[in-house]
Amino acid sequence: EVQLVESGGGLVKPGGSLRLSCAASGFTFSSYSMNWVRQAPGKGLEWVSSISSSSSYIYYADSVKGRFTISRDNAKNSLYLQMNSLRAEDTAVYYCARVTSSGPELWGQGTMVTVSS
Amino acid sequence: QSVLTQPPSVSAAPGQKVTISCSGSSSNIGNNYVSWYQQLPGTTPKLLIYENNKRPSGIPDRFSGSKSGTSATLGITGLQTGDEADYYCGTWDSSLSAGVFGGGTKLTVL
Repeated sequence: EVQLVESGGGLVKPGGSLRLSCAASGFTFSSYSMNWVRQAPGKGLEWVSSISSSSSYIYYADSVKGRFTISRDNAKNSLYLQMNSLRAEDTAVYYCARVTSSGPELWGQGTMVTVSS
Repeated sequence: QSVLTQPPSVSAAPGQKVTISCSGSSSNIGNNYVSWYQQLPGTTPKLLIYENNKRPSGIPDRFSGSKSGTSATLGITGLQTGDEADYYCGTWDSSLSAGVFGGGTKLTVL
């Protein structure tokens, strides 16, 4: 079955760090670019970061630039998001998504990140 | 404020047709493919339309997409109560080097 499964979310204090993981299965992970997209409670979708299939191209939203780092391990079929200096406004469900020429096409179920003291 | 502009809400009666607009600029919609997503209450976003007007397998032909210049439109015919959801457009912005989404449109089937 083709799927993406996120993990690593939780409650963290402002200024803290968290590392999200996304395990891919059922497809050739190394052939696809991947995204992280988040959704704050009751709000719309917000693109966070993109990484190309070989990690050659990496992009970040201005809101997370310098604090978040996207990476991948194609041998482990895994995508990561290292989140540092977390703020209350980073509270959201974080989705990993497989990307094609048109954007995200396959989404994981999401993992909740709550930044609160 | 989203880079792509969608109406906050639309509504129509069961069996009727509705369209949802998505307005952008030459750096995003004007020069890149547009996708549309459906998010039913409490669920993960689901791809409805990709490359402006293509439907993934399993998406009924009641859903259609089009693009003209710097705007895109999602059309839904034969509305059903199960279509009540939030709908988002998305694309890449070449100037920002960033993915962008519309603010979302809540569809109510009266």
